[in-house]
Amino acid sequence: QKEVEQDPGPLSVPEGAIVSLNCTYSNSAFQYFMWYRQYSRKGPELLMYTYSSGNKEDGRFTAQVDKSSKYISLFIRDSQPSDSATYLCAMSAVGNQGGKLIFGQGTELSVKP
Amino acid sequence: NAGVTQTPKFRVLKTGQSMTLLCAQDMNHEYMYWYRQDPGMGLRLIHYSVGEGTTAKGEVPDGYNVSRLKKQNFLLGLESAAPSQTSVYFCASRQGSVRDSNQPQHFGDGTRLSIL
Repeated sequence: QKEVEQDPGPLSVPEGAIVSLNCTYSNSAFQYFMWYRQYSRKGPELLMYTYSSGNKEDGRFTAQVDKSSKYISLFIRDSQPSDSATYLCAMSAVGNQGGKLIFGQGTELSVKP
Repeated sequence: NAGVTQTPKFRVLKTGQSMTLLCAQDMNHEYMYWYRQDPGMGLRLIHYSVGEGTTAKGEVPDGYNVSRLKKQNFLLGLESAAPSQTSVYFCASRQGSVRDSNQPQHFGDGTRLSIL
Protein backbone atom coordinates (compact mmCIF):
# COMPACT_ATOMS: atom_id res chain seq x y z
CA GLN A 1 0.00 0.00 0.00
CA LYS A 2 1.33 3.43 -0.95
CA GLU A 3 1.75 6.02 1.80
CA VAL A 4 -0.33 8.51 -0.19
CA GLU A 5 -3.20 7.53 -2.49
CA GLN A 6 -4.74 9.86 -5.03
CA ASP A 7 -7.33 9.09 -7.69
CA PRO A 8 -5.51 9.69 -11.00
CA GLY A 9 -8.69 10.59 -12.89
CA PRO A 10 -8.87 11.96 -15.53
CA LEU A 11 -11.58 14.28 -14.26
CA SER A 12 -13.55 16.37 -16.74
CA VAL A 13 -15.94 19.12 -15.62
CA PRO A 14 -17.77 22.02 -17.28
CA GLU A 15 -16.62 25.57 -16.69
CA GLY A 16 -18.05 27.00 -13.48
CA ALA A 17 -18.32 23.63 -11.71
CA ILE A 18 -17.05 22.97 -8.20
CA VAL A 19 -14.17 20.52 -8.28
CA SER A 20 -13.19 18.25 -5.41
CA LEU A 21 -9.79 16.57 -5.39
CA ASN A 22 -8.81 14.17 -2.65
CA CYS A 23 -5.92 12.22 -1.15
CA THR A 24 -5.74 9.66 1.62
CA TYR A 25 -2.62 8.76 3.55
CA SER A 26 -1.47 6.16 6.02
CA ASN A 27 1.36 7.84 7.95
CA SER A 28 0.02 9.57 11.06
CA ALA A 29 3.31 11.52 11.38
CA PHE A 30 2.44 13.74 8.41
CA GLN A 31 1.83 17.29 9.57
CA TYR A 32 2.43 19.41 6.47
CA PHE A 33 0.05 19.07 3.54
CA MET A 34 0.52 20.70 0.18
CA TRP A 35 -1.19 20.86 -3.17
CA TYR A 36 0.89 21.40 -6.28
CA ARG A 37 -0.46 22.26 -9.73
CA GLN A 38 1.36 21.01 -12.80
CA TYR A 39 0.60 22.25 -16.29
CA SER A 40 1.49 20.11 -19.26
CA ARG A 41 5.26 19.95 -19.87
CA LYS A 42 5.96 22.12 -16.84
CA GLY A 43 7.23 21.51 -13.33
CA PRO A 44 4.88 21.41 -10.33
CA GLU A 45 4.18 24.72 -8.61
CA LEU A 46 2.93 25.12 -5.06
CA LEU A 47 -0.76 26.01 -4.93
CA MET A 48 -1.81 25.57 -1.32
CA TYR A 49 -0.13 24.64 1.95
CA THR A 50 -1.71 23.72 5.29
CA TYR A 51 -0.28 22.65 8.61
CA SER A 52 -2.00 19.97 10.68
CA SER A 53 -5.81 19.96 10.55
CA GLY A 54 -8.24 22.59 9.37
CA ASN A 55 -9.14 24.64 6.34
CA LYS A 56 -7.30 27.22 4.32
CA GLU A 57 -8.85 29.41 1.66
CA ASP A 58 -7.13 31.34 -1.12
CA GLY A 59 -9.43 32.88 -3.68
CA ARG A 60 -11.29 30.11 -5.48
CA PHE A 61 -9.24 27.41 -3.79
CA THR A 62 -9.89 25.77 -0.42
CA ALA A 63 -7.70 23.12 1.16
CA GLN A 64 -9.03 20.90 3.94
CA VAL A 65 -7.21 18.47 6.20
CA ASP A 66 -8.92 15.85 8.34
CA LYS A 67 -6.16 14.14 10.29
CA SER A 68 -8.55 11.86 12.16
CA SER A 69 -9.58 10.33 8.85
CA LYS A 70 -6.16 10.78 7.20
CA TYR A 71 -7.86 12.57 4.33
CA ILE A 72 -7.13 15.84 2.57
CA SER A 73 -9.12 17.72 -0.06
CA LEU A 74 -8.73 20.59 -2.48
CA PHE A 75 -11.85 22.38 -3.65
CA ILE A 76 -11.91 24.64 -6.67
CA ARG A 77 -14.92 26.94 -6.97
CA ASP A 78 -16.09 28.44 -10.27
CA SER A 79 -13.59 26.33 -12.18
CA GLN A 80 -12.01 27.88 -15.27
CA PRO A 81 -10.40 26.32 -18.37
CA SER A 82 -7.11 27.72 -17.07
CA ASP A 83 -7.46 25.35 -14.09
CA SER A 84 -6.92 22.40 -16.46
CA ALA A 85 -3.79 20.74 -15.10
CA THR A 86 -2.60 17.84 -12.99
CA TYR A 87 -2.99 18.37 -9.26
CA LEU A 88 -0.59 16.62 -6.92
CA CYS A 89 -0.99 16.31 -3.18
CA ALA A 90 2.20 16.14 -1.13
CA MET A 91 2.92 15.59 2.55
CA SER A 92 5.78 15.63 4.99
CA ALA A 93 6.42 14.86 8.62
CA VAL A 94 7.84 17.35 11.10
CA GLY A 95 11.62 17.13 11.34
CA ASN A 96 12.05 14.54 8.62
CA GLN A 97 15.62 14.34 7.39
CA GLY A 98 16.04 16.32 4.21
CA GLY A 99 12.57 17.85 4.16
CA LYS A 100 11.36 15.07 1.92
CA LEU A 101 7.88 15.19 0.44
CA ILE A 102 5.72 12.18 -0.34
CA PHE A 103 3.55 12.79 -3.40
CA GLY A 104 0.28 11.31 -4.55
CA GLN A 105 0.00 10.03 -8.09
CA GLY A 106 -1.67 13.23 -9.30
CA THR A 107 -5.19 13.88 -10.63
CA GLU A 108 -5.56 15.14 -14.19
CA LEU A 109 -8.28 17.79 -14.39
CA SER A 110 -9.86 19.15 -17.54
CA VAL A 111 -12.27 22.10 -17.38
CA LYS A 112 -14.34 22.41 -20.55
CA PRO A 113 -15.57 25.84 -21.74
CA ASN B 1 14.06 35.30 -12.08
CA ALA B 2 15.42 31.99 -13.35
CA GLY B 3 14.61 29.90 -10.26
CA VAL B 4 15.45 26.26 -11.01
CA THR B 5 16.90 25.54 -14.44
CA GLN B 6 17.35 22.05 -15.86
CA THR B 7 19.46 21.10 -18.85
CA PRO B 8 18.96 19.49 -21.26
CA LYS B 9 15.18 19.64 -21.79
CA PHE B 10 15.06 16.54 -24.01
CA ARG B 11 17.43 13.69 -24.68
CA VAL B 12 17.35 10.32 -26.41
CA LEU B 13 19.93 7.73 -25.39
CA LYS B 14 20.75 4.21 -26.38
CA THR B 15 20.88 1.45 -23.79
CA GLY B 16 24.25 1.44 -22.06
CA GLN B 17 25.11 5.06 -22.77
CA SER B 18 25.87 7.47 -19.96
CA MET B 19 24.81 11.04 -19.41
CA THR B 20 24.56 13.77 -16.79
CA LEU B 21 21.55 15.96 -16.09
CA LEU B 22 22.28 19.38 -14.68
CA CYS B 23 20.17 21.34 -12.24
CA ALA B 24 21.02 24.90 -11.30
CA GLN B 25 19.21 27.15 -8.81
CA ASP B 26 19.80 30.83 -8.16
CA MET B 27 17.82 31.14 -4.91
CA ASN B 28 20.69 30.19 -2.56
CA HIS B 29 18.70 27.17 -1.38
CA GLU B 30 20.35 24.60 0.86
CA TYR B 31 18.28 21.58 -0.11
CA MET B 32 18.05 20.10 -3.58
CA TYR B 33 16.21 17.06 -4.93
CA TRP B 34 15.99 14.85 -8.00
CA TYR B 35 12.68 13.15 -8.82
CA ARG B 36 11.41 11.02 -11.64
CA GLN B 37 7.81 11.18 -12.80
CA ASP B 38 6.17 8.23 -14.52
CA PRO B 39 2.51 7.77 -15.53
CA GLY B 40 0.43 6.59 -12.59
CA MET B 41 3.39 6.77 -10.21
CA GLY B 42 3.53 10.42 -9.26
CA LEU B 43 6.87 11.95 -8.29
CA ARG B 44 9.40 9.59 -6.75
CA LEU B 45 12.53 10.84 -5.02
CA ILE B 46 15.79 9.55 -6.48
CA HIS B 47 18.45 11.39 -4.45
CA TYR B 48 18.63 14.57 -2.46
CA SER B 49 21.16 16.91 -0.87
CA VAL B 50 20.93 18.96 2.30
CA GLY B 51 23.94 21.10 1.48
CA GLU B 52 27.05 21.53 -0.61
CA GLY B 53 29.12 18.36 -0.61
CA THR B 54 26.33 16.16 0.80
CA THR B 55 24.05 13.64 -0.91
CA ALA B 56 21.59 11.00 0.27
CA LYS B 57 19.46 8.28 -1.27
CA GLY B 58 15.77 8.67 -1.83
CA GLU B 59 13.09 6.16 -2.69
CA VAL B 60 14.45 4.93 -6.06
CA PRO B 61 18.25 5.52 -6.14
CA ASP B 62 19.42 2.43 -8.03
CA GLY B 63 21.12 3.14 -11.34
CA TYR B 64 21.71 6.83 -10.54
CA ASN B 65 24.50 8.83 -8.96
CA VAL B 66 24.55 12.46 -7.89
CA SER B 67 27.01 15.16 -6.92
CA ARG B 68 26.67 18.54 -5.22
CA LEU B 69 30.09 20.16 -5.61
CA LYS B 70 28.64 23.67 -5.64
CA LYS B 71 25.67 24.89 -3.63
CA GLN B 72 23.80 26.07 -6.69
CA ASN B 73 24.24 22.92 -8.78
CA PHE B 74 23.00 19.35 -8.38
CA LEU B 75 24.01 16.79 -11.00
CA LEU B 76 22.24 13.51 -11.73
CA GLY B 77 24.22 10.84 -13.56
CA LEU B 78 23.19 7.70 -15.37
CA GLU B 79 26.27 5.51 -15.79
CA SER B 80 24.69 2.85 -18.01
CA ALA B 81 21.23 3.85 -19.17
CA ALA B 82 18.44 1.26 -19.25
CA PRO B 83 14.99 1.47 -20.91
CA SER B 84 13.42 1.41 -17.41
CA GLN B 85 15.00 4.82 -16.83
CA THR B 86 12.87 6.40 -19.55
CA SER B 87 11.04 9.10 -17.62
CA VAL B 88 10.64 12.80 -16.96
CA TYR B 89 13.20 13.99 -14.43
CA PHE B 90 12.51 16.97 -12.19
CA CYS B 91 14.87 18.88 -9.99
CA ALA B 92 13.66 20.90 -7.01
CA SER B 93 15.22 23.10 -4.37
CA ARG B 94 14.15 24.38 -0.98
CA GLN B 95 15.42 26.83 1.56
CA GLY B 96 15.66 26.22 5.27
CA SER B 97 16.73 23.47 7.63
CA VAL B 98 15.14 20.38 9.11
CA ARG B 99 13.11 22.70 11.35
CA ASP B 100 11.58 24.39 8.33
CA SER B 101 9.61 21.43 7.05
CA ASN B 102 6.92 23.80 5.83
CA GLN B 103 9.10 25.44 3.22
CA PRO B 104 7.89 24.63 -0.29
CA GLN B 105 9.99 22.95 -2.91
CA HIS B 106 10.53 24.89 -6.15
CA PHE B 107 10.68 22.81 -9.30
CA GLY B 108 12.34 23.11 -12.68
CA ASP B 109 10.46 22.27 -15.87
CA GLY B 110 11.94 18.83 -16.27
CA THR B 111 14.16 16.80 -18.57
CA ARG B 112 12.41 14.31 -20.83
CA LEU B 113 14.67 11.31 -21.25
CA SER B 114 14.04 8.38 -23.60
CA ILE B 115 16.26 5.33 -23.61
CA LEU B 116 16.01 3.03 -26.56
